[in-house]
Amino acid sequence: AIRMTQSPSSFSASTGDRVTITCRASQGISSYLAWYQQKPGKAPKLLIYAASTLQSGVPSRFSGSGSGTDFTLTITCLQSEDFATYYCQQYYTYPPTFGGGTKVEIK
Amino acid sequence: EVQLVESGGVVVQPGGSLRLSCAASGFTFDDYAMHWVRQAPGKGLEWVSLISWDAGSTYYVDSVNGRFTISRDNSKNSLYLQMNSLRAEDTALYYCAKDTVRYGSGSYPDFWGQGTLVTVSS
Repeated sequence: AIRMTQSPSSFSASTGDRVTITCRASQGISSYLAWYQQKPGKAPKLLIYAASTLQSGVPSRFSGSGSGTDFTLTITCLQSEDFATYYCQQYYTYPPTFGGGTKVEIK
Repeated sequence: EVQLVESGGVVVQPGGSLRLSCAASGFTFDDYAMHWVRQAPGKGLEWVSLISWDAGSTYYVDSVNGRFTISRDNSKNSLYLQMNSLRAEDTALYYCAKDTVRYGSGSYPDFWGQGTLVTVSS
């Protein structure tokens, strides 16, 4: 199975900050990558698919980039509602696999 | 509005069986593949299984292959997960999730239910 490694696993940030989360695949996955946001006690929410395409209704402060093995999720001007855990997922091949998650906490 | 409502999660003994259900509404159910994804308490997400729109194709993660069976009833807009030979490590919140295409190949879940909790313990 393809291993997805996210970094960092957690960090603290302030409202208004620009934050970047990294996801690395153990082998090339082209652009078959999605990003999800999960808040405590809630289901994951799709933010980005195909590495850089914003899901309908997701604020434009979220953006994704990368292809092959290295990907990033960037949140410009962090808002209070963005404090959550973020997961990347490859869907290049079965089984689909998730990164371990990155928890964004309030500084 | 897309809605996915899971049910059937309970406390079960190791070696036991359980059937989870997911009731779908707000979209044309038989136009999409469907997933089960689980999350152990305090842990990350783990994909479990996928079924194509017509149940003609199914996929499983290795750790459940041979023990779990995914199925669907398009006439009832429902997805199921039959879980046998349950182990402590199957303890998790199980999410039902909708895919974006019929076969699920090269695609991803775009909408998730709220989950149902399965606890395997003696």
